[in-house]
Amino acid sequence: GAGVSQSPRYKVAKRGQDVALRCDPISGHVSLFWYQQALGQGPEFLTYFQNEAQLDKSGLPSDRFFAERPEGSVSTLKIQRTQQEDSAVYLCASSLAFAGVGNTIYFGEGSWLTVV
Amino acid sequence: GQQVMQIPQYQHVQEGEDFTTYCNSSTTLSNIQWYKQRPGGHPVFLIQLVKSGEVKKQKRLTFQFGEAKKNSSLHITATQTTDVGTYFCADSGTYKYIFGTGTRLKVLA
Repeated sequence: GAGVSQSPRYKVAKRGQDVALRCDPISGHVSLFWYQQALGQGPEFLTYFQNEAQLDKSGLPSDRFFAERPEGSVSTLKIQRTQQEDSAVYLCASSLAFAGVGNTIYFGEGSWLTVV
Repeated sequence: GQQVMQIPQYQHVQEGEDFTTYCNSSTTLSNIQWYKQRPGGHPVFLIQLVKSGEVKKQKRLTFQFGEAKKNSSLHITATQTTDVGTYFCADSGTYKYIFGTGTRLKVLA
């Protein structure tokens, strides 16, 4: 596609509910990233995929967060038993090359999650 | 861990006035990137600086990388209402991209 596509754009979840957020990166992009952006803050790194391999998941806040990219294209970020502190915008980004110094990354519009 | 701070946090300017945001890192930066995020939108890449003391211009925007590579600035000349948004710097020295705290710019017509 022309850009990084994310769905749903908006999600309201009840506390304790599981959610799944989808990211469709730019076609052919090797690298895929998930970031979490709280209101009024900058994006914070969650996890990184190179093709289907999850090379870094050090930013995932807890074991309730899980991400996958089974075929090296579409990725899903799953949050189990959502808590109010999970409310944030979840941004997916992709990059053409293997992640390295100074690559340009392209962000999707984000999935706005509100946990009530 | 590394911290990337930006000042000011907010800035309101009259249309036509200049605007500057400053980015300071607690550690030396390899490269720095700047992004603009419109209200309700997503971060969009503006530019990357690599060399110590580097200055780059994009129309009314001037980006500078400090000599010690621990700070950077973005200056907008004669702001327009289309400049509204939050400007983030990011340490792009590793793939994790440490983003700054951002400066939210409002331009009053």
